[in-house]
Amino acid sequence: DTEVTQTPKHLVMGMTNKKSLKCEQHMGHRAMYWYKQKAKKPPELMFVYSYEKLSINESVPSRFSPECPNSSLLNLHLHALQPEDSALYLCASSQGSGAFNSPLHFGNGTRLTVT
Amino acid sequence: AQSVAQPEDQVNVAEGNPLTVKCTYSVSGNPYLFWYVQYPNRGLQFLLKYITGDNLVKGSYGFEAEFNKSQTSFHLKKPSALVSDSALYFCAVRGVYNTNAGKSTFGDGTTLTVKP
Repeated sequence: DTEVTQTPKHLVMGMTNKKSLKCEQHMGHRAMYWYKQKAKKPPELMFVYSYEKLSINESVPSRFSPECPNSSLLNLHLHALQPEDSALYLCASSQGSGAFNSPLHFGNGTRLTVT
Repeated sequence: AQSVAQPEDQVNVAEGNPLTVKCTYSVSGNPYLFWYVQYPNRGLQFLLKYITGDNLVKGSYGFEAEFNKSQTSFHLKKPSALVSDSALYFCAVRGVYNTNAGKSTFGDGTTLTVKP
């Protein structure tokens, strides 16, 4: 079982809806990440939080808004999404974004469908 | 810039035979290299990493990887494949410098199919 928990597992939303994805880890990791993954493709980095501060934003559209309430929690707020945003959204954590030898620990993702 | 190449989209092996999944990389400075596996409808799972030291790295589930600096390669190997090893495998390099610091760059993935 994964040590990074993501909810919900599946989400269907209309283009005018507002929803949130949630991620939680209790490994004491200080870096948390959001990735987007299309089928059979590698994960694409969206955001990195290091010590609860946003350290990397990979030019993600503003309809995606990340939030890190504390060191264990990471949210991704969604608003006015497009059908092409349908994908698997993966949360990951690591010991620290500066700990380059620390592997990423991934959750099982939220399968998002935008209708 | 850093990059990872996995030259094979698909690798097919028979159960019990050895398997190799290839990876080459390009990065500034010393490489921090990782292999991950992804089963259907699951997240990526860490298998093993190379940071420094021995060129042969051992990881989870009997997998190992061979680091070759001169060929800038980090091939994943297993002496005897199992049907349950069938999955999507990603090689990744972790950046250290400048705008790549802390970022993981993934290869396009290789689908491994092990047939009984």
